[in-house]
Amino acid sequence: EAGVTQSPTHLIKTRGQQATLRCSPISGHTSVYWYQQALGLGLQFLLWYDEGEERNRGNFPPRFSGRQFPNYSSELNVNALELEDSALYLCASSFLAGGPSTQYFGPGTRLTVL
Amino acid sequence: AQSVTQPDIHITVSEGASLELRCNYSYGATPYLFWYVQSPGQGLQLLLKYFSGDTLVQGIKGFEAEFKRSQSSFNLRKPSVHWSDAAEYFCAVGAFRGGGTSYGKLTFGQGTILTVHP
Repeated sequence: EAGVTQSPTHLIKTRGQQATLRCSPISGHTSVYWYQQALGLGLQFLLWYDEGEERNRGNFPPRFSGRQFPNYSSELNVNALELEDSALYLCASSFLAGGPSTQYFGPGTRLTVL
Repeated sequence: AQSVTQPDIHITVSEGASLELRCNYSYGATPYLFWYVQSPGQGLQLLLKYFSGDTLVQGIKGFEAEFKRSQSSFNLRKPSVHWSDAAEYFCAVGAFRGGGTSYGKLTFGQGTILTVHP
């Protein structure tokens, strides 16, 4: 069974540009989660999508946004990039069955903002 | 709000020695607890999870963890560490009921870096 995949592996942008990160969940999973892992800040929850809808978002500014497509893949967009957006962005997926679920993580996208 | 504390930032053990990584959580309802491992530059791999039932849970790679509600702890253990276990370990708590700002997300501890000496 294929795991969660993310692209690109690495992304280099300059301040003020926009970045788009992509995630494909495990087959059969309908939920996608995004986390940011920045140096010194640990793993922070960004966004949760399920069945195409945004279900929850973390304490991040509106320039962090995303969407989930009908095939359950997801995109994270970061507008007006700032130096502190440099981080590893991790995507996870799960299948919700009305109770607790396990999130399985992809390998991440390393975003560097110069 | 939920929170997780991993008191040890860095632990060094010799290969073959036993290991215990500490995790304390704060959560108002029934906690759903996880341990993940991350190798440098990689994503997170699930080691084990606790949802309910037996408080001693077995995971992959010979790891186990014990849920102690009275101590709000979920410590990870391994009887004999291998050099390949060197990595960073994260404890997490999940909220799956009640809505609110915590709903659906995992809250992670700061991580514990494990170094294994030959």
